Amino acid sequence: GQQLNQSPQSMFIQEGEDVSMNCTSSSIFNTWLWYKQDPGEGPVLLIALYKAGELTSNGRLTAQFGITRKDSFLNISASIPSDVGIYFCAGQLRQAGTALIFGKGTTLSVSS
Amino acid sequence: NAGVMQNPRHLVRRRGQEARLRCSPMKGHSHVYWYRQLPEEGLKFMVYLQKENIIDESGMPKERFSAEFPKEGPSILRIQQVVRGDSAAYFCASSPPKPGTGYNEQFFGPGTRLTVL
Repeated sequence: GQQLNQSPQSMFIQEGEDVSMNCTSSSIFNTWLWYKQDPGEGPVLLIALYKAGELTSNGRLTAQFGITRKDSFLNISASIPSDVGIYFCAGQLRQAGTALIFGKGTTLSVSS
Repeated sequence: NAGVMQNPRHLVRRRGQEARLRCSPMKGHSHVYWYRQLPEEGLKFMVYLQKENIIDESGMPKERFSAEFPKEGPSILRIQQVVRGDSAAYFCASSPPKPGTGYNEQFFGPGTRLTVL
């Protein structure tokens, strides 16, 4: 089946540092989505990307849809303790209404 | 506007019993998706439904699993004769109807954690 390679698997950073994580695939995606999941909860949508090359921000978060349509990255600037959690990339291969394919997640730990 | 609701949040079953997981989509949403998450893993797609129709069940195991989204009431994911390997977190997501566009943002519920003893 289709796979998304998400890296890094985990990150341990100091409060105030910037963070970058990315996802790559051998397949072309029409949509890239970034989610955050806290323990015991469902994923919460952070950013949605729809066009190749698109760069979108949501507060301290910035994500880009790669120009080849096979990758995406998420940056978090000036991290704070509440950024702790698992970040997932997810992509859709076709038009609206299809399954999301998820990466395995990046676990972020922030020390103050 | 209430989010996606799932119940129960935790479900314990013995091997061979049935598990019924319920999902109420966000108000105005007519598309429902079910995903399964194993520990330390990302979510894996199971099934996509619209009201009274299964659109895509390519991720659903061929046996023991079924899903429905009736005209009235929540979507149900049913697992018959559960086995220990069914232990996982099951998430429901919903999205609004957007005919004619390629955009589809899925909003997730809090999940049901199924434990099979």
